[in-house]
Amino acid sequence: LAKTTQPISMDSYEGQEVNITCSHNNIATNDYITWYQQFPSQGPRFIIQGYKTKVTNEVASLFIPADRKSSTLSLPRVSLSDTAVYYCLVGSTNQAGTALIFGKGTTLSVSS
Amino acid sequence: GAVVSQHPSWVICKSGTSVKIECRSLDFQATTMFWYRQFPKQSLMLMATSNEGSKATYEQGVEKDKFLINHASLTLSTLTVTSAHPEDSSFYICSARDLGGNEQYFGPGTRLTVT
Repeated sequence: LAKTTQPISMDSYEGQEVNITCSHNNIATNDYITWYQQFPSQGPRFIIQGYKTKVTNEVASLFIPADRKSSTLSLPRVSLSDTAVYYCLVGSTNQAGTALIFGKGTTLSVSS
Repeated sequence: GAVVSQHPSWVICKSGTSVKIECRSLDFQATTMFWYRQFPKQSLMLMATSNEGSKATYEQGVEKDKFLINHASLTLSTLTVTSAHPEDSSFYICSARDLGGNEQYFGPGTRLTVT
């Protein structure tokens, strides 16, 4: 499974856009990129998933360049409730029996 | 989206006793479920892969005789921590992948405290 590298922490203020970049140099052809959010004492929550180019949903956007060796999670206009740990993971969707392996994640702190 | 539940959400037990944690996929079937452990301020660490109808696959360093996993149906996997010790105190999280989808769904976690 591809390893990922993310910044350990980021700080932001309410209303700002936050971009968290993840490096995954060894991503395989069948791998998707998935981002999860985790609050203390809760299980990870799915945010967004993509394979290439750009994906957008109601909470975030995911930008993936053509070489797919990195990806950027974009959170528009963050609020205090977005303070959490964000994990970038890569893994194949063709293998339902393969677990996602978590890296260290990025701790996002949003202040007022 | 699909829902994965865990029971109990928290448990306190005495050292030397055993504790069972249940993981259920509520609205989908999962032939494979995964068990993770998370210590404070750390990331999730994969413990084992639970396969329906067969033996679980454990990650290196995880004692299979201490962490018993049973996956008796397509919607239920259980993790039993046997002869628990204070160092087993942790947050245990299960997850499952819907056979037809790309997403891995996580349970809310179980906080285990061994006194």
